[in-house]
Amino acid sequence: QKEVEQDPGPLSVPEGAIVSLNCTYSNSAFQYFMWYRQYSRKGPELLMYTYSSGNKEDGRFTAQVDKSSKYISLFIRDSQPSDSATYLCAMGPHTGGFKTIFGAGTRLFVKA
Amino acid sequence: ETGVTQSPTHLIKTRGQQVTLRCSSQSGHNTVSWYQQALGQGPQFIFQYYREEENGRGNFPPRFSGLQFPNYSSELNVNALELDDSALYLCASSPPGAGANTGELFFGEGSRLTVL
Repeated sequence: QKEVEQDPGPLSVPEGAIVSLNCTYSNSAFQYFMWYRQYSRKGPELLMYTYSSGNKEDGRFTAQVDKSSKYISLFIRDSQPSDSATYLCAMGPHTGGFKTIFGAGTRLFVKA
Repeated sequence: ETGVTQSPTHLIKTRGQQVTLRCSSQSGHNTVSWYQQALGQGPQFIFQYYREEENGRGNFPPRFSGLQFPNYSSELNVNALELDDSALYLCASSPPGAGANTGELFFGEGSRLTVL
């Protein structure tokens, strides 16, 4: 079993839809959780960062962490064609010499 | 503010050869991590460098090695290349203090290696 599981998709939605992206994990030591966006042939770009459980909102993006269920989510409201990319969840323990673990990424297509 | 830069952007090697990839960290960042991203997969942690010392390593063989220089730039060296080493190699830097301990990574655009 992988430490981080993420549905690779692809996920195709119409413009304006609410998108829900999810990851599950198995390591209870994970304390920080991130979402990265990666456009084709580019490096990942940090979108959202959350420490421990709870919600965080930034514009059209909301990140949720449920440590009791080992489940994290990213919601995108009013999705745009420019949101079409691969979304990677990432997480790790709160120690020095960290090792951030990434999910496989979900490919999202937003149709105009 | 200059972001993370990597070179070369693309390169082709043959099995058994050696390759060196280079990375300049973002201004003010003192920690550099290297990741391997195979096609259709998430990045896999290779190792991290802090103050010129390896500070954590993933499940990669010793033929993957690295260096960090006093200006925080870094190199990834891969010896005895294998076909499975074909991937996008990503360098990421982290700011000092809380940023380095919490995994906030700022990535370059990567070096795409093809091994024939």
